[in-house]
Amino acid sequence: ETGVTQTPRHLVMGMTNKKSLKCEQHLGHNAMYWYKQSAKKPLELMFVYNFKEQTENNSVPSRFSPECPNSSHLFLHLHTLQPEDSALYLCASDRRTGIGELFFGEGSRLTVL
Amino acid sequence: DQQVKQNSPSLSVQEGRISILNCDYTNSMFDYFLWYKKYPAEGPTFLISISSIKDKNEDGRFTVFLNKSAKHLSLHIVPSQPGDSAVYFCAARMGAGANNLFFGTGTRLTVIP
Repeated sequence: ETGVTQTPRHLVMGMTNKKSLKCEQHLGHNAMYWYKQSAKKPLELMFVYNFKEQTENNSVPSRFSPECPNSSHLFLHLHTLQPEDSALYLCASDRRTGIGELFFGEGSRLTVL
Repeated sequence: DQQVKQNSPSLSVQEGRISILNCDYTNSMFDYFLWYKKYPAEGPTFLISISSIKDKNEDGRFTVFLNKSAKHLSLHIVPSQPGDSAVYFCAARMGAGANNLFFGTGTRLTVIP
């Protein structure tokens, strides 16, 4: 139990669907992140939120839309995805001023048909 | 181009022996290095870190060594236990903030009882 919870754990969607991934952290951290983990690739940073403000968008396609309503919640809205977007999506949080000791959720395994 | 590389995708070690996981990096501006451990169906968890001003950091059975001239770090686990079986990710940071964190592709360690 890391204090970061992601739902759903598994998601299968068609290319025309619209779905959302949810992340909640109970650690009082002020920064939250979305990462993508594809097979045999390094973890890819997608979005960074610091105190609810998006501070980084690593050239992520617009079919991925993040939302951070408060410091404890983070969403990733998905629409018109491609099969190559199938991956494990990890949410993480930290104190922003830390050294990189991220606290990760268990991940949401996404399959796009 | 990957700045952090873990060239061994997998490693098998007998219980009680030493496990050595290796990581190479290309950017001399990295100032902090971290190891994360990931069990199946869980998110990565922070394991141990080392500042670039040090060459060794020890925490129980885990020791990280940094060789800056070779741009190489390694994680030693002694003695290895079956519960250590997991994927280990090396990460390197350039400046403050986890959004400057670069991950390797991971090494799957299997400790054989």
